[in-house]
Amino acid sequence: GAVVSQHPSWVICKSGTSVKIECRSLDFQATTMFWYRQFPKQSLMLMATSNEGSKATYEQGVEKDKFLINHASLTLSTLTVTSAHPEDSSFYICSVDRNRNTEAFFGQGTRLTVV
Amino acid sequence: AQSVTQLGSHVSVSEGALVLLRCNYSSSVPPYLFWYVQYPNQGLQLLLKYTTGATLVKGINGFEAEFKKSETSFHLTKPSAHMSDAAEYFCAVREINTDKLIFGTGTRLQVFP
Repeated sequence: GAVVSQHPSWVICKSGTSVKIECRSLDFQATTMFWYRQFPKQSLMLMATSNEGSKATYEQGVEKDKFLINHASLTLSTLTVTSAHPEDSSFYICSVDRNRNTEAFFGQGTRLTVV
Repeated sequence: AQSVTQLGSHVSVSEGALVLLRCNYSSSVPPYLFWYVQYPNQGLQLLLKYTTGATLVKGINGFEAEFKKSETSFHLTKPSAHMSDAAEYFCAVREINTDKLIFGTGTRLQVFP
């Protein structure tokens, strides 16, 4: 069964609105979760590392105020795209690691379309 | 920083033919290596991984990969392609210092009848 649940799987929103994406670890407690962005026909780009109980660590070039990450519990991290614009349209994927020498478990992804 | 190179953004094979997807990494120490598959509008599914031990790793759906330290390679193979293998394949390396996963640019596999 699924180890990571991501919701919603797709969302369409108007420019200027905010969208929240949830990532839940179903199988184990996760102190760290990862958020990726994937452009069409491209690879995954790490956006940020979500840390339970503390601030997220953002990759260079990722706007912290644009992509708000909250990791309030050991099983839930949320990514909020604030004041969305069409250029934010993309596929967003979260992942969870059980430990470093095992694979990462990925959510099913969220297709965001901003109109 | 570590990097992953996947040669060939597109690979096309006939059903029943050998599949070979190439992956090279840059690392001064033996890394943890992974191959993932992605179907359209879905997340990533692990095919196989190498951490330690046997260098020939077998995964799901008949795929296997061999870790060759001397060549810094981790190529993915399957003896006989199936139509259902058509998907995007990503090679990834676990960055030693940060534990981050570094992905290659991906290879789209097409399988023709």
